[in-house]
Amino acid sequence: DIQMTQSPSTLSASVGDRVTITCRASQSISSWLAWYQQKPGKAPKLLIYKASSLESGVPSRFSGSGSGTEFTLTISSLQPDDFATYYCQQYNSYSLTFGGGTKVEIK
Amino acid sequence: EVQLVESGGGLVQPGRSLRLSCAASGFTFDDYAMHWVRQAPGKGLEWVSGISWNSGSIGYADSVKGRFTISRDNAKNSLYLQMNSLRAEDTALYYCAKDRGIAAADTFDYWGQGTLVTVSS
Repeated sequence: DIQMTQSPSTLSASVGDRVTITCRASQSISSWLAWYQQKPGKAPKLLIYKASSLESGVPSRFSGSGSGTEFTLTISSLQPDDFATYYCQQYNSYSLTFGGGTKVEIK
Repeated sequence: EVQLVESGGGLVQPGRSLRLSCAASGFTFDDYAMHWVRQAPGKGLEWVSGISWNSGSIGYADSVKGRFTISRDNAKNSLYLQMNSLRAEDTALYYCAKDRGIAAADTFDYWGQGTLVTVSS
């Protein structure tokens, strides 16, 4: 199975900050990577698919980049609604696998 | 509006069985693959199983292979997960999730609210 490693596991930031989360795959997954946001007690929400395509309805301050084994999720200007946990997910091959998550906390 | 409503969770003893259901509405169910994803308390997300639109392609995580069986009934717009030989480590919130495509190998664009399975004696 392809292992997905996210860093950092926790990130403290302030409203207005530019935030970057990294996801690394144990082998190349081309651009078959998605990002999700999850708030406490809620189901995950798809933000980005195919590494850089923004899901409909997701604010443009979210962007994704990368290919192969290294990917990033960037929030250009952190808003109060963005404090949450973020997960990457590869869909290059079975088993579909998630990263361990990055919790974005208020500084 | 897409809706996915899970049911069937509960407290079950180790070694016993449970069947989860997911009722789908708001989209053409047999146009899309479907999945089960779980989340242990305080932990991250784990994909459990996926099934293509016509049940022709099915996949399982190694952790559940041989114990869990995914199925769907397109006539009833429903997804199922038969869970046998349950273990304490299967304790989690189980989400039903819609695939963006037909082949059960894509991303999950809609999720239910989950049904909690607790395996304990």
